[in-house]
Amino acid sequence: DAGVIQSPRHEVTEMGQEVTLRCKPISGHDYLFWYRQTMMRGLELLIYFNNNVPIDDSGMPEDRFSAKMPNASFSTLKIQPSEPRDSAVYFCASSFGLMVHNFGPGTRLTVT
Amino acid sequence: KQEVTQIPAALSVPEGENLVLNCSFTDSAIYNLQWFRQDPGKGLTSLLLIQSSQREQTSGRLNASLDKSSGRSTLYIAASQPGDSATYLCAVDTNAGKSTFGDGTTLTVKP
Repeated sequence: DAGVIQSPRHEVTEMGQEVTLRCKPISGHDYLFWYRQTMMRGLELLIYFNNNVPIDDSGMPEDRFSAKMPNASFSTLKIQPSEPRDSAVYFCASSFGLMVHNFGPGTRLTVT
Repeated sequence: KQEVTQIPAALSVPEGENLVLNCSFTDSAIYNLQWFRQDPGKGLTSLLLIQSSQREQTSGRLNASLDKSSGRSTLYIAASQPGDSATYLCAVDTNAGKSTFGDGTTLTVKP
């Protein structure tokens, strides 16, 4: 298996633009997690899905953030409109049951 | 609200030394605890997962222990090598999927 795949790896955008981050979990995994990592706040859980259903989105910072998982092999995290304070590394992770998290390589987002 | 603290924030040791990284958490009602490794500019790699009913897990030179009653976990690295240099994070799952991460300990092993 190729592991968790995220795209793009790097994204630079201007404030106010829409940003869409993509994730392909490991085949067969039933949990998918979106995390954000910054120097100031460390690693934060934004939202997670179980069998494509959002379970807990209490970590989503604002209504500007939304996440979807239309099927077992694809998820998106969208920010609209983006702001400079959204600049961070966004990680997607998947797991089979609530066991070992497998993290993707991350998307480094810079909002200017 | 679960809070996870890792001490020290940074650690530098000579090659070959055995070392212990510490993780403490405030809510002992946990589902599991994981230790991760993160290399600069990379994602996280899971090292060990300890379920709430377990006391320790071992993988090669790594041993992780869990004491729920005291809210503590340790990661023991034996015979450290320069390749062990990385940031080590612990994550506590207290709500069946909702993990809280510590800020990590950045380890440098000098040749």
